[in-house]
Amino acid sequence: EIVMTQSPATLSVSPGERATLSCRASQSVSSNLAWYQQKPGQAPRLLIYGASTRATGIPARFSGSGSGTEFTLTISSLQSEDFAVYYCQQYNNWPLYTFGQGTKLEIK
Amino acid sequence: EVQLVESGGGLVQPGGSLRLSCAASGFTFSSYWMSWVRQAPGKGLEWVANIKQDGSEKYYVDSVKGRFTISRDNAKNSLYLQMNSLRAEDTAVYYCARVAGTTRGFDYWGQGTLVTVSS
Repeated sequence: EIVMTQSPATLSVSPGERATLSCRASQSVSSNLAWYQQKPGQAPRLLIYGASTRATGIPARFSGSGSGTEFTLTISSLQSEDFAVYYCQQYNNWPLYTFGQGTKLEIK
Repeated sequence: EVQLVESGGGLVQPGGSLRLSCAASGFTFSSYWMSWVRQAPGKGLEWVANIKQDGSEKYYVDSVKGRFTISRDNAKNSLYLQMNSLRAEDTAVYYCARVAGTTRGFDYWGQGTLVTVSS
């Protein structure tokens, strides 16, 4: 089983600043990684797939990078609507999936 | 507009059974892999099961193998999850999700249905 580990568990950032979230895989997942955003009481939303490709309708301030075992989600200038929980997910082991435990992005 | 609407959740006793449904609309349901993902209260996301377009392949997370069965009815544009021998640790919001055609991420999600296993 591929284990996905996200850090930090909670990240406090001020609006307008940059946020950097990390995701590490226990073994290489190539670029088969997605990022999701989840707000309270809502279903998750796909942000990034293929480690770096933004999904349809996702603002350019969201960017993903990395390959192999180390990945990063960067939000360049935080807007109020960006404060949420973010999950990474590997699908290199398709059709089996694994999610990270999530990073809560909160207002500083 | 793509829509996924889950139903069938509720309160069930340990050892009991429940069948979840997901009604799909706004896309060609029979062309996509579909999945169930769950989220225990206050916890993270856990993938539960996948099913191929024609139902010929099914995959499960180890914790539900032998207890849960994923199925679909393409004529009714519906996805199902039959859950047997339910345990307290199965308590969660269950989401159905569409697997994106080539990227394998989940590009559309339902709003979820809550399953509570408790005596």
